[in-house]
Amino acid sequence: AQSVTQPDIHITVSEGASLELRCNYSYGATPYLFWYVQSPGQGLQLLLKYFSGDTLVQGIKGFEAEFKRSQSSFNLRKPSVHWSDAAEYFCAIYSGAGSYQLTFGKGTKLSVIP
Amino acid sequence: ETGVTQTPRHLVMGMTNKKSLKCEQHLGHNAMYWYKQSAKKPLELMFVYSLEERVENNSVPSRFSPECPNSSHLFLHLHTLQPEDSALYLCASSQPGAPDTQYFGPGTRLTVL
Repeated sequence: AQSVTQPDIHITVSEGASLELRCNYSYGATPYLFWYVQSPGQGLQLLLKYFSGDTLVQGIKGFEAEFKRSQSSFNLRKPSVHWSDAAEYFCAIYSGAGSYQLTFGKGTKLSVIP
Repeated sequence: ETGVTQTPRHLVMGMTNKKSLKCEQHLGHNAMYWYKQSAKKPLELMFVYSLEERVENNSVPSRFSPECPNSSHLFLHLHTLQPEDSALYLCASSQPGAPDTQYFGPGTRLTVL
């Protein structure tokens, strides 16, 4: 069975600083990987996804993520954080094979200091 | 309305009440999902409907009863809930051939007293 671990429950960064949110997964084959963002009182919005090919994936709102098979990681990055990026971020994995199951991590809450 | 909408946004109910959550998607999708989001726990998939047929039911207690009358609407009927059922209930939709890419509604915040 697949699983996703987000080691950081809460991260605080200053506005303008760079950001990296960590995600590790467990799955036997090449997974489909996702990052979602949830702003307060809102549902989840897809930031980016990795299926295959180029291991550096570009997403919306200036985010990118890098798939590293050797480390079973899919970390999310942004070079310069804006106050509006304060939200909760979820990494997710999809195994395919006819399943409808997206397996999510517990999330990382991002706070941004002005 | 665009995307995925959910009503009500907030609901408080007693353990003996019966209530329903409604989800509507305006994306032309044919698969719809109910998730439960509790504090400090990962999102839990509850039910999936594809082309109006239930295709997944992840060991959810019978006090939760889903209904999908057509591809645009999904309901979650609630009865005799427990306080531990208090959570954010999220609806999502996707194309049936692309369950990996799901679009979420804003959720219903449910409090069971």
